Amino acid sequence: KQEVTQIPAALSVPEGENLVLNCSFTDSAIYNLQWFRQDPGKGLTSLLLIQSSQREQTSGRLNASLDKSSGRSTLYIAASQPGDSATYLCAVDGGYNKLIFGAGTRLAVHP
Amino acid sequence: GAVVSQHPSWVICKSGTSVKIECRSLDFQATTMFWYRQFPKQSLMLMATSNEGSKATYEQGVEKDKFLINHASLTLSTLTVTSAHPEDSSFYICSASSFRTANTGELFFGEGSRLTVL
Repeated sequence: KQEVTQIPAALSVPEGENLVLNCSFTDSAIYNLQWFRQDPGKGLTSLLLIQSSQREQTSGRLNASLDKSSGRSTLYIAASQPGDSATYLCAVDGGYNKLIFGAGTRLAVHP
Repeated sequence: GAVVSQHPSWVICKSGTSVKIECRSLDFQATTMFWYRQFPKQSLMLMATSNEGSKATYEQGVEKDKFLINHASLTLSTLTVTSAHPEDSSFYICSASSFRTANTGELFFGEGSRLTVL
């Protein structure tokens, strides 16, 4: 059974810092890995999608890497801003677009 | 494009009543829709997968008679929580895949519906 773990569970940093959020999964047989952002009481915003054949994806200040064989992904946020404060969720697709989510990392960026 | 709308965004009901939550794809036809529930500060858990015109497929441990899913058209899926109890209080989120993105894994999520059962 696939399990997704995210570390740390919470993170509080001053504005401007570069951040690394970690995600690990137990079964390497995945089709893709996705990173989402969730604001309190809201739905999910897709940030990055990495196909199983890819090693990384970049969007603006965000960069996500995937090491499928070791079951790990990292989300790198450069030059963090208060507007980045949210919960970041990692999810893996084991087939048929059925996502298995981690519990998330709650990020607070203070001015 | 690719907007998914959920309604209502929040609902409060009395124990024993039934509540229906709608999930609509506004500008695309959804091949498949998914329903998730999320408890406070916990992860999203997949409840069921629905395809238009066929019965939903429920994940292990999800009561299909408790959570009725109907997918009557390519743009609408509904989740009905029957005889709701306080333990059903949760945040329910739907997502949809389109014909165009079905093979890429890209999914579009609704804004979620918060259910509180008194």
